[in-house]
Parts: sequence; structure tokens; C-alpha cells
Amino acid sequence: GAVVSQHPSRVICKSGTSVKIECRSLDFQATTMFWYRQFPKQSLMLMATSNEGSKATYEQGVEKDKFLINHASLTLSTLTVTSAHPEDSSFYICSARDGRGTKNIQYFGAGTRLSVL
Amino acid sequence: GENVEQHPSTLSVQEGDSAVIKCTYSDSASNYFPWYKQELGKRPQLIIDIRSNVGEKKDQRIAVTLNKTAKHFSLHITETQPEDSAVYFCAARMLPNQAGTALIFGKGTTLSVSS
Repeated sequence: GAVVSQHPSRVICKSGTSVKIECRSLDFQATTMFWYRQFPKQSLMLMATSNEGSKATYEQGVEKDKFLINHASLTLSTLTVTSAHPEDSSFYICSARDGRGTKNIQYFGAGTRLSVL
Repeated sequence: GENVEQHPSTLSVQEGDSAVIKCTYSDSASNYFPWYKQELGKRPQLIIDIRSNVGEKKDQRIAVTLNKTAKHFSLHITETQPEDSAVYFCAARMLPNQAGTALIFGKGTTLSVSS
């Protein structure tokens, strides 16, 4: 089946540093990828929609200058948390839609647990 | 935009019993409704989905029903087993022409199956 790879799985960083998270679709092309944030024991909250070759679409309340998204190719989207602070600590998870044929199934990466000290 | 409500937030059943999780959605244009299972520390995995042209879909012990008029859909798990214990999320989305439309998730239901 389709696989979405996300790296790194775990990041511990100091406050003020920037962290880049990669999301790759391994066996299909994804013109659109999605970034979610999940707090402990809570649901997946959509942060932004990453569009290949164009600007990302951010959800209300999500700072685009804080969470930089780049979707430079059909198989790679990156999320950069700039100047991270403890309140940015969370589980970040990406997903990509396999639109081949009639599938239209959305697959998720394994997630990145970010801890900002 | 779409808003998805999910109930209950926690559900405890005995092994062999059935479990039912219900969701409602707000956007009548939504026509795709998947259910994901997420085990602790792992990625959500699609377990079943249903499209608006179908009222019910079944896959072994799992079934989903959809009532478009009432804008609600439900997940039914029969003969529950301890390995069914996880968090279950419902979601809604428009497709297929809305390529950039994301899934909007319910808040999740923590299912515990005791043996």
C-alpha cells in the first residue's frame, strides 16, 4: 500500500532554535499534503494544506511565519517550526492523499514528537 | 467550514460485545467519511470509509452507516477483541474535485475492550 514517510520521529531542541520536519510520499505523487498537530489525548487539528509549487494554505489561528511550509516536489513537503518555544511542543503529523484511480485515501506519516526545552 | 462532532469520548466494553461510535457533520457538501484507528504513539490507520452514495458498508467485524439527511454516520464494531482497544477518529471531507480539501476530524473516542 501507499506509504508516507516522516522524519524525524522525535526532536528535542532548545528554545529559539528552528526545527525542520520532512514528509515524503514514497510510492505516489502528492500535489497536496496536509500538516496536522495533535496534543496529548486530543484530536488531529489541521494546521495547513501544502500545495506543490505554490503557497501553503493555513488554517485560522496558525501563524504562517511561525510554521513555514515548503512543497518543492511532488513527493516532499517540509514543515519548519521557526524559533521554537515550549508551547510549540506537540506531535506533528503529515498526510498525503493517494488520488490514483478511485482510491482517494489519505495516508499518514508516523508523526514527529517535538519537545522544546 | 466543516465541523465534526464525535461521541462518546470514551467507551468501555467487554470482549465480545459490540461498540458503536457516532459522528455528526455540519457541511452538507461533504461526501467522504473515513474512520481511522490510532494506537498509542502510532500513526492513524484507515480502517473503513464510506461515500455519500452508499448508506452502509461492512468489512468483517466493522461496519459504517451513513444518514446524509441527518448528517450523521456511525462506526459499528462487533465481537470486540482486546486488540480493538485504541482511539478511533471519524472524519469528513469533500471529494474528489476538491483536491486540496483536508480531512476534518472528530475529537476521537478511546475504546477499551476488557477481557
